Amino acid sequence: QVHLVESGGGVVQPGRSLRLSCAASGFTFDNYVFHWVRQAPHRGPEWVAVISYDGSNIYYAAAVTGRFTISRDNSNNTVYLQMNSLRADDTALYYCARALGFGDTFYGMDVWGQGTTVTVSS
Amino acid sequence: SYVLTQTPSVSVAPGQTATMTCGGDKIRGKSVHWYQQKPGQAPVLVVYNDNDRPSGIPERFSGSNSGNTATLTISRVEAGDEADYYCQVWDTYSDHVVFGGGTKLTVL
Repeated sequence: QVHLVESGGGVVQPGRSLRLSCAASGFTFDNYVFHWVRQAPHRGPEWVAVISYDGSNIYYAAAVTGRFTISRDNSNNTVYLQMNSLRADDTALYYCARALGFGDTFYGMDVWGQGTTVTVSS
Repeated sequence: SYVLTQTPSVSVAPGQTATMTCGGDKIRGKSVHWYQQKPGQAPVLVVYNDNDRPSGIPERFSGSNSGNTATLTISRVEAGDEADYYCQVWDTYSDHVVFGGGTKLTVL
């Protein structure tokens, strides 16, 4: 079965760091692009970052550029999101999502994990 | 940055047709994807590339895209279709993925 399982969330003080992980199983990992998407309470989804098949192409939302880093380990079927200088408005449920295609050939996010919660509070 | 605008809410009786729109500048030139999200659950892709359905999604779900508006149509609406629906595109100008603000579908 196809699965994405996020981990690494928690409660953290403003200015601190967290590293999220997304473990994939049930499919050929390096055939897919991966995104991180977050959703604050009672809000819609907000795209955070994307990484291409081999990690050579990466893009970030303006709100996280310079603070967050997405990466992947194709040998361990895992995607990461390193989050530095966290702020209160980063508080959200963070989803990892699989996608076929990139850019002009983006076909949507067809598999999502259940998310990991990040709370930034003093 | 590219903006997608959705009507906040739509209400429809069971068995009727629900139509939800997603507005964006020259959206016809982009591929639009639609997601269904029920409370406490992750989003689920219901339409991709304007009008294709992933396996397992009923034929009642369909999409179209023309001019400045993309549309998700749900025929013969069922109580289980009650959810939030989000449109999405990849903006190739900025290489950012953009979500619309969502439409809450209420089944009366």
